[in-house]
Amino acid sequence: RKEVEQDPGPFNVPEGATVAFNCTYSNSASQSFFWYRQDCRKEPKLLMSVYSSGNEDGRFTAQLNRASQYISLLIRDSKLSDSATYLCVVTDLTSGTYKYIFGTGTRLKVLA
Amino acid sequence: GAGVSQSPSNKVTEKGKDVELRCDPISGHTALYWYRQRLGQGLEFLIYFQGNSAPDKSGLPSDRFSAERTGESVSTLTIQRTQQEDSAVYLCASSSHRGGTEAFFGQGTRLTVV
Repeated sequence: RKEVEQDPGPFNVPEGATVAFNCTYSNSASQSFFWYRQDCRKEPKLLMSVYSSGNEDGRFTAQLNRASQYISLLIRDSKLSDSATYLCVVTDLTSGTYKYIFGTGTRLKVLA
Repeated sequence: GAGVSQSPSNKVTEKGKDVELRCDPISGHTALYWYRQRLGQGLEFLIYFQGNSAPDKSGLPSDRFSAERTGESVSTLTIQRTQQEDSAVYLCASSSHRGGTEAFFGQGTRLTVV
């Protein structure tokens, strides 16, 4: 089983739609969780951290379910500019330091 | 520098040649990662360095690939006897040893083997 798994997509949605991605992780002791965004031909960049209580940033909502070992990202009122690949990231504590583990990403295409 | 710096940004090489890619992490970041990303594909983990610990080389696809890092400074990824399937963007990232903090990527090296 992969350490971090995501549906590669693509998810094709019309402008204004709500779309949700899930990501599962295998290590129940994973410490921190993030969503990164990668635009075409660019490097990944942090979109938002994911907190245990869930958190929201504008149209974006991230949630963590430790019992089922998954995190989710909800995008409301999708914009054309949201088209990108969304990467799920977890950090595992190993020998006192944190190792980042990246999923391979879910591709989103928002259509006019 | 302020961010992760990679060089060269683009490299075209002939099949069979060796190439060396460089990554300058953010100062003070103990962890450094190399990833490969083929066109239209996801990130493929190659190698992870954490301070002076033994690196995690579990993602290196063959013995033609190797990487070095001295302490918490620059890292080089070397690909020997390049093949066309090595064509990809090679991304480097660095992070602090503290949890809950952001990992930063460089802009990558686009390698084309002809």
